[in-house]
Amino acid sequence: SQTIHQWPATLVQPVGSPLSLECTVEGTSNPNLYWYRQAAGRGLQLLFYSVGIGQISSEVPQNLSASRPQDRQFILSSKKLLLSDSGFYLCAWSVDTNQETQYFGPGTRLLVL
Amino acid sequence: KNEVEQSPQNLTAQEGEFITINCSYSVGISALHWLQQHPGGGIVSLFMLSSGKKKHGRLIATINIQEKHSSLHITASHPRDSAVYICAVPRIQGAQKLVFGQGTRLTINP
Repeated sequence: SQTIHQWPATLVQPVGSPLSLECTVEGTSNPNLYWYRQAAGRGLQLLFYSVGIGQISSEVPQNLSASRPQDRQFILSSKKLLLSDSGFYLCAWSVDTNQETQYFGPGTRLLVL
Repeated sequence: KNEVEQSPQNLTAQEGEFITINCSYSVGISALHWLQQHPGGGIVSLFMLSSGKKKHGRLIATINIQEKHSSLHITASHPRDSAVYICAVPRIQGAQKLVFGQGTRLTINP
């Protein structure tokens, strides 16, 4: 069966520090991978989308970047965190066809102080 | 105007009540998703439907493509149903890129 992992579960970082959040998927090959952010009191927003290794689509201009060094690994990064980067970050995967369910990871709660 | 609107934003009910959460969208879609987010933040996909109705246990989801409206119903509600329910639709140009509603926070009191 397929599983999706995210770490860390929670993170408190100072403004200006770097960030690296990792997401890995098991039990499937060539998944579509997604990074979402949920800011406090707001809905989910798609940040990045990847259909394959090294293929990243950025959905909104921001202080973050994403990379996919391996088929089932998706990394969210920042060189210098801003206060506005605080939020709940969710990774998700889906099969590479239309109209497929997306499966979400447990999320990382990031607080930038 | 948001592309996906949910109502109500908050809903409190007593155990056993029949619950209805509504979702209206303004974009053309291929499928609509209903998600459940638990207090800890984890998200579970409940339904994906493109027409008619789907049922899973006490949960029922319906969609009217012509009216661009979907409803999520919970029968015989229970405190463990307390969660945020989120509606999401794909953008036209990429079926996998979802646009999310703001969510409906449901609280079921015993």
